[in-house]
Amino acid sequence: GAGVSQSPRYKVAKRGQDVALRCDPISGHVSLFWYQQALGQGPEFLTYFQNEAQLDKSGLPSDRFFAERPEGSVSTLKIQRTQQEDSAVYLCASSSLAGQEETQYFGPGTRLLVL
Amino acid sequence: AQSVTQLGSHVSVSEGALVLLRCNYSSSVPPYLFWYVQYPNQGLQLLLKYTTGATLVKGINGFEAEFKKSETSFHLTKPSAHMSDAAEYFCAVSHNFGNEKLTFGTGTRLTIIP
Repeated sequence: GAGVSQSPRYKVAKRGQDVALRCDPISGHVSLFWYQQALGQGPEFLTYFQNEAQLDKSGLPSDRFFAERPEGSVSTLKIQRTQQEDSAVYLCASSSLAGQEETQYFGPGTRLLVL
Repeated sequence: AQSVTQLGSHVSVSEGALVLLRCNYSSSVPPYLFWYVQYPNQGLQLLLKYTTGATLVKGINGFEAEFKKSETSFHLTKPSAHMSDAAEYFCAVSHNFGNEKLTFGTGTRLTIIP
């Protein structure tokens, strides 16, 4: 079946531009996570949704970062006034609440380069 | 607070040799532990996970890991390396299996020498 998809796969932005990154989770998955992976580092948690509710946004690095999931399916991560330090791979993951087999399934990521 | 330390950012082994990737965790409560693999330009794929029960966990592609509470370790092993094992490996910890944020280590890049 279809996995988690993300678009665009690559994004180049000039410093100060706004960007929007999209995540399509696995159909029926209730939970959705965003992670940021800097070059040579492990992914770091940004935010978590259960359906449309954003239950944890403790990892968002600044108020320039905003995420939404208005209908409990597709999610968008928006970064306003991008800075060079925002350059990273942004990973989305989804999981189901069904039983013991909850695993986070990751998308391929969006590689953001801010010039 | 929870954290993960992966010893060795780069590991090289010969094809057919034992693979050992080290992971130590810090957690104030019983952890859930995971190993993920990342191939170039791809997302993370779950190799195996420990939640409760048997401390020796078997995963895909012949990998296994053993949870050792006394050593706060969850090292990943494979008896015989294959060229296709070359990738980046991440150890991660969470406190509630599923629907809880993962805390990752910095990763270990595994190179297989022909």
